[in-house]
Amino acid sequence: DAGVIQSPRHEVTEMGQEVTLRCKPISGHDYLFWYRQTMMRGLELLIYFNNNVPIDDSGMPEDRFSAKMPNASFSTLKIQPSEPRDSAVYFCASRPNKREKLFFGSGTQLSVL
Amino acid sequence: AQKVTQAQTEISVVEKEDVTLDCVYETRDTTYYLFWYKQPPSGELVFLIRRNSFDEQNEISGRYSWNFQKSTSSFNFTITASQVVDSAVYFCALSTFIPTQGGSEKLVFGKGTKLTVNP
Repeated sequence: DAGVIQSPRHEVTEMGQEVTLRCKPISGHDYLFWYRQTMMRGLELLIYFNNNVPIDDSGMPEDRFSAKMPNASFSTLKIQPSEPRDSAVYFCASRPNKREKLFFGSGTQLSVL
Repeated sequence: AQKVTQAQTEISVVEKEDVTLDCVYETRDTTYYLFWYKQPPSGELVFLIRRNSFDEQNEISGRYSWNFQKSTSSFNFTITASQVVDSAVYFCALSTFIPTQGGSEKLVFGKGTKLTVNP
């Protein structure tokens, strides 16, 4: 089985540009999570979906960040406009039901110059 | 509030030494889950173990063992006879259920402990 697939693996962009990160969860998983990892703050939950519906977006840092899940097999995290402080590794994760372990993607390394 | 503390930022050992990674958590919930994840240099996050709050039995898996003690809110991880391949960042995490947020659940991670095993 393919795991959680994220694209791109690396993204380098200039401040002010729009950035879109993509995620394909494991088939059959009802929950999808977006995490951000930085040296200073560690792993932070940004938002999570259950059956394509956003459940908790309290971790989304500001209005520049938005996430969508148009169907069960695809989600995007968009930053517009991007800023240097958004530089981090962004992980997508999915799981089949509550309290099961999370399966993580390989992450997207974002660098905003 | 839910919180996970991994007080050890970095640990360095020599191969074959035993090493214990500490994890202390805070929650008011009586039902919760604890996890350990490994992040090797390649960057992916690998699941190691999940424990629910009602099961305090310690667990051993090969060279890995976990000591869960509710009395001290700790869930420590020990690697016996460490190997170079164990070098990674290890994260402890806590999952709780927040019914007031429509059943929101969050997996809260500690800051991680970077383990370096030298040959």
